[in-house]
Amino acid sequence: KQEVTQIPAALSVPEGENLVLNCSFTDSAIYNLQWFRQDPGKGLTSLLLIQSSQREQTSGRLNASLDKSSGRSTLYIAASQPGDSATYLCAVRPDGNNRLAFGKGNQVVVIP
Amino acid sequence: DAMVIQNPRYQVTQFGKPVTLSCSQTLNHNVMYWYQQKSSQAPKLLFHYYDKDFNNEADTPDNFQSRRPNTSFCFLDIRSPGLGDAAMYLCATSRGGLAGLNEQFFGPGTRLTVL
Repeated sequence: KQEVTQIPAALSVPEGENLVLNCSFTDSAIYNLQWFRQDPGKGLTSLLLIQSSQREQTSGRLNASLDKSSGRSTLYIAASQPGDSATYLCAVRPDGNNRLAFGKGNQVVVIP
Repeated sequence: DAMVIQNPRYQVTQFGKPVTLSCSQTLNHNVMYWYQQKSSQAPKLLFHYYDKDFNNEADTPDNFQSRRPNTSFCFLDIRSPGLGDAAMYLCATSRGGLAGLNEQFFGPGTRLTVL
């Protein structure tokens, strides 16, 4: 069974600092990996999707890398802003099915 | 804009009183999912439809049922809500098959309160 871990559960950074969020998964047989953002009481917003054949994806200040063989992905957010405060969830789709395995998320607070 | 819509956004029901949550999508995706998310936890998949094919998760209680009358709509029925069913319910969609990106798109969620 695929296990997805995100550590730490919560972190605070001063505005302007780069954010580095880590995700690890136990089974490297994945089809893709998706990073989501969730604001309190809201649904999930897809940030980036990385296919298993890719090493990274970029969108604006966000960059996500994938090292499938070691079971790791990292989400970088450059020059963090207070509006980046949210919970960030990592989810992997195993080969052969449509189900996503989620981590519990990193709750981020960017301090002005 | 193409999107996933959930109604209502907030639902209050009484213990044991049936409730139905609604999801619709304009993305024309053939896969639709229902997740349950409790506070500070990861979303938990309840079931999903691949076209008309219903796929139940092994640990989803019988109290939870779903209907998908057409491509655009999917409903979550909770037959006899208990206090433990209070949660955020998230609907998501994706394009199925291995050819597509299979990126999942989520609705805003319905917050269910059970009194």
